[in-house]
Amino acid sequence: AQSVTQLGSHVSVSEGALVLLRCNYSSSVPPYLFWYVQYPNQGLQLLLKYTTGATLVKGINGFEAEFKKSETSFHLTKPSAHMSDAAEYFCALMYSGGGADGLTFGKGTHLIIQP
Amino acid sequence: DADVTQTPRNRITKTGKRIMLECSQTKGHDRMYWYRQDPGLGLQLIYYSFDVKDINKGEISDGYSVSRQAQAKFSLSLESAIPNQTALYFCATSDRATGAGNTIYFGEGSWLTVV
Repeated sequence: AQSVTQLGSHVSVSEGALVLLRCNYSSSVPPYLFWYVQYPNQGLQLLLKYTTGATLVKGINGFEAEFKKSETSFHLTKPSAHMSDAAEYFCALMYSGGGADGLTFGKGTHLIIQP
Repeated sequence: DADVTQTPRNRITKTGKRIMLECSQTKGHDRMYWYRQDPGLGLQLIYYSFDVKDINKGEISDGYSVSRQAQAKFSLSLESAIPNQTALYFCATSDRATGAGNTIYFGEGSWLTVV
């Protein structure tokens, strides 16, 4: 079975500080990993994804994530938080094969930016 | 205009009523999905469809049915709504042709409240 665990349902950082949102996964096959962001009253928007190749993935709005197979992690970072980064963030793992297809999501992390 | 459009965006219905949520997409994608989001639980897959003739159950299909009327249209029905189906529902699409790790694109969501 595949699963995604996001550590911390709420993370609070000061504006200008480093943002670190943690994601660990469990998968029996090489994973495809995603980070999505959900702004209030909006749908989910793709931030970045890892499929194969370079393990450091850069996304939109200055975010990046590093795939670490040995740690089964895909943590999301941003060097300097902006007020506009306040949102819900979801880590997800794609499964495919055996007739199945879709994303398994973590429970989400609510990012709060303190002025 | 949004690539993935859901209607209605908000709906309040009574227990026992039949309700349909509709989704249409202009992305030309072959795959479509319905997800449910509950606070603190992330998103869970209800149904997915690879094409008009291929519909599959997801993690939480009980109490729901779907119809893929055309490549661009995928509707979700609650035959007899119950209060614990109160949630935010998302339609999503993806393109098999992009290969492994293809991105799933989400609509803006439909808030459904069952009273």
